[in-house]
Amino acid sequence: DTGVSQDPRHKITKRGQNVTFRCDPISEHNRLYWYRQTLGQGPEFLTYFQNEAQLEKSRLLSDRFSAERPKGSFSTLEIQRTEQGDSAMYLCASSSDGGRMEGYTFGSGTRLTVV
Amino acid sequence: AQSVTQPDIHITVSEGASLELRCNYSYGATPYLFWYVQSPGQGLQLLLKYFSGDTLVQGIKGFEAEFKRSQSSFNLRKPSVHWSDAAEYFCAVNTNAGKSTFGDGTTLTVKP
Repeated sequence: DTGVSQDPRHKITKRGQNVTFRCDPISEHNRLYWYRQTLGQGPEFLTYFQNEAQLEKSRLLSDRFSAERPKGSFSTLEIQRTEQGDSAMYLCASSSDGGRMEGYTFGSGTRLTVV
Repeated sequence: AQSVTQPDIHITVSEGASLELRCNYSYGATPYLFWYVQSPGQGLQLLLKYFSGDTLVQGIKGFEAEFKRSQSSFNLRKPSVHWSDAAEYFCAVNTNAGKSTFGDGTTLTVKP
């Protein structure tokens, strides 16, 4: 297993366009998390899945954001009608079903720049 | 709601010197605590974790952390810092659901 993979590594898009990011977690991990990180800040929780079920979504997340995890494998995060404030690093992480006792394995992130 | 405070935004130490990075948490139940390290442009890597037992935990790369319930702290330490330790360090606390709340990080600079 090569760890958590995220694609693309970098994305530059014009304001108003839609973007989609992909995350491939560690195969035996059934929990998958999306976080957003801006400069000088720690990762901020967006949403998480257990298998294919989306169990929680941050109240800070606007309706322009949607995430899926079909068949409990890879996940996609879509941002519609991007705004400059969406510019950030989007991090995906996975963990086993140990829940609160388990740390995360992070991907290298997708850096989004909205111009 | 849980929260994590890392009081030091930036710390500079000389190579070979000891290091301590501070972390204070707020959580209503028994905390499950973590330290991660992030190199520029990369994701975070787990250094160590604490959830029960011995309050001094060992991690990778020679790091250790001590849990002090009375002070709500989980400080990260290393006896002798190497230039390759320069990075950003994040403390995190987990909820029952396994969701992590992170501090805003401490940037470590290592002087030759």
